[in-house]
Amino acid sequence: DSGVTQTPKHLITATGQRVTLRCSPRSGDLSVYWYQQSLDQGLQFLIQYYNGEERAKGNILERFSAQQFPDLHSELNLSSLELGDSALYFCASSVASANTEAFFGQGTRLTVV
Amino acid sequence: GEDVEQSLFLSVREGDSSVINCTYTDSSSTYLYWYKQEPGAGLQLLTYIFSNMDMKQDQRLTVLLNKKDKHLSLRIADTQTGDSAIYFCAERGSGGYNKLIFGAGTRLAVHP
Repeated sequence: DSGVTQTPKHLITATGQRVTLRCSPRSGDLSVYWYQQSLDQGLQFLIQYYNGEERAKGNILERFSAQQFPDLHSELNLSSLELGDSALYFCASSVASANTEAFFGQGTRLTVV
Repeated sequence: GEDVEQSLFLSVREGDSSVINCTYTDSSSTYLYWYKQEPGAGLQLLTYIFSNMDMKQDQRLTVLLNKKDKHLSLRIADTQTGDSAIYFCAERGSGGYNKLIFGAGTRLAVHP
């Protein structure tokens, strides 16, 4: 158990809908990262937050947004969902913004039908 | 640019050593990582190596880094069936912030 908790584990929704994925980092970790794992794109970095502020942005679509709250949990919001958004979404956390070790949660499997 | 490449599949016999290879392109990478993903599970950090090191050993795992050729390998000694998983190589992208660039993953199959 990495200590990173993601909910829900599975999510099935229809095209055009909006979903929110939640991540609780390890105790004491200030940095949260979101990654998308899909069959065609592999593991792609989406976005990073550190202590409530956005720190780095990767291949995140405009339809997606994220935030980190004062209690350090993070949410990834996916809207106007398309079939191609079906993927495994991972959250990872680390102590600092540029730490050597990032620990991953179990992921949320999103299926868009 | 940043790119990480791995072979997609490796099959070994139980008890043999496995060697998973990876090449990366970002010469400014400071850390390189190996993660393990078992079916239905998240990514488990196995080990990492700092770019000024050539080798790192941790129990059955040995990481070799050839910075000149931008080549990283993970050797698993005495491979067991429990080692069957997908192994991802990752580099820490330039600019810090711990953004990881992952390879496509190598599926390791261990057979009796």
